[in-house]
Amino acid sequence: GDKVKQSPSALSLQEGTNSALRCNFSIAATTVQWFLQNPRGSLMNLFYLVPGTKENGRLKSAFDSKESYSTLHIRDAQLEDSGTYFCAAENMGYKLTFGTGTSLLVDP
Amino acid sequence: AQTIHQWPVAEIKAVGSPLSLGCTIKGKSSPNLYWYWQATGGTLQQLFYSITVGQVESVVQLNLSASRPKDDQFILSTEKLLLSHSGFYLCAWSQGTGQLYFGEGSKLTVL
Repeated sequence: GDKVKQSPSALSLQEGTNSALRCNFSIAATTVQWFLQNPRGSLMNLFYLVPGTKENGRLKSAFDSKESYSTLHIRDAQLEDSGTYFCAAENMGYKLTFGTGTSLLVDP
Repeated sequence: AQTIHQWPVAEIKAVGSPLSLGCTIKGKSSPNLYWYWQATGGTLQQLFYSITVGQVESVVQLNLSASRPKDDQFILSTEKLLLSHSGFYLCAWSQGTGQLYFGEGSKLTVL
């Protein structure tokens, strides 16, 4: 099965609302990264996490290595937040395992 | 500032033909380099990584090979394309096992 499962797989939000994305790991992740893929395909790195939390503007992410999960919170969603969000877990040096992705659509 | 450039942006190739995709990183000395593949609508799968010139480690081969001829260059290739090679290929770099930065990607269609 999938070593990194993301939920939900798809999400539709009204502009200005809040939401949370989640990744569950069946591998012993040491670090987690979150990315946003735009419609053209390029990926932007949002967060690089060791166990703990980070915040950047309207985004906040947490990584709990003991409970094997990570979350990404989006506050006051904007149209430009639309895209596909991926989490990725590192557990073997230079090997990064990507999650199944969450497709987010923000409507006006 | 570091920049990562991938080429070509898109390719349409015939089954059985050869392929070469390239990636160049500027503004960073001795980066770790990676190739990823993404099927349409799918997740990213790591193919290869390289931590130094001339050394490449395979994660999932998929009948592809990779080489690092220079510190700032990473090449993905095959002599015979399969239909299953279609998809989106992404090159990335990191400093150590840190944050990963991606190029714009190369879209490959095999007919």
